[in-house]
Amino acid sequence: AQTIHQWPVAEIKAVGSPLSLGCTIKGKSSPNLYWYWQATGGTLQQLFYSITVGQVESVVQLNLSASRPKDDQFILSTEKLLLSHSGFYLCAWSRDKNTGQLYFGEGSKLTVL
Amino acid sequence: AQKVTQTQTSISVMEKTTVTMDCVYETQDSSYFLFWYKQTASGEIVFLIRQDSYKKENATVGHYSLNFQKPKSSIGLIITATQIEDSAVYFCAMRELNTGANTGKLTFGHGTILRVHP
Repeated sequence: AQTIHQWPVAEIKAVGSPLSLGCTIKGKSSPNLYWYWQATGGTLQQLFYSITVGQVESVVQLNLSASRPKDDQFILSTEKLLLSHSGFYLCAWSRDKNTGQLYFGEGSKLTVL
Repeated sequence: AQKVTQTQTSISVMEKTTVTMDCVYETQDSSYFLFWYKQTASGEIVFLIRQDSYKKENATVGHYSLNFQKPKSSIGLIITATQIEDSAVYFCAMRELNTGANTGKLTFGHGTILRVHP
């Protein structure tokens, strides 16, 4: 069975500090991986997607970047956090590339002060 | 442009009753996929059920079922025999077929909070 794990579970960071959030999927080779963001109490918005190692596509510009250093790993980062970066970050993968049905990790809660 | 609207901000029901959550969508595409997800108190988002636009039969999974009314662009989620643990935020989402399958782009509604009381 496939499992997806995100780290850290939660972070409290200062404005202007760097950030790195990670996601690892096990049990699935060459997965499509996705980053979504959710403002507190809000809807989900896609940030990035990656279909293979080293290839990342940006969907929205939020002063964030993403990388796919390994087949099973997806990293979200920024060098300088903004207050607007606060929220819940979710990594997801798609089992069925035709329907686009997504399965999400546990999420990482980010608070920027 | 695709859009998903959930007009019910929150719903409160008694345990063991049936609840329906509404969702309407806008799309220019003739083929699309509709999903319902549940977000628990911990933040975890769990896939519940899917409806493919070309299927006339309403999807059913366990005590979740859908009321798909294509002419009205409506996809309601029905939960029967609700339990306390069904309390969560429920999101409706859509993917248009002409959106690249690899993009993983789902358009989500803003969610409906469900509270199930004993």
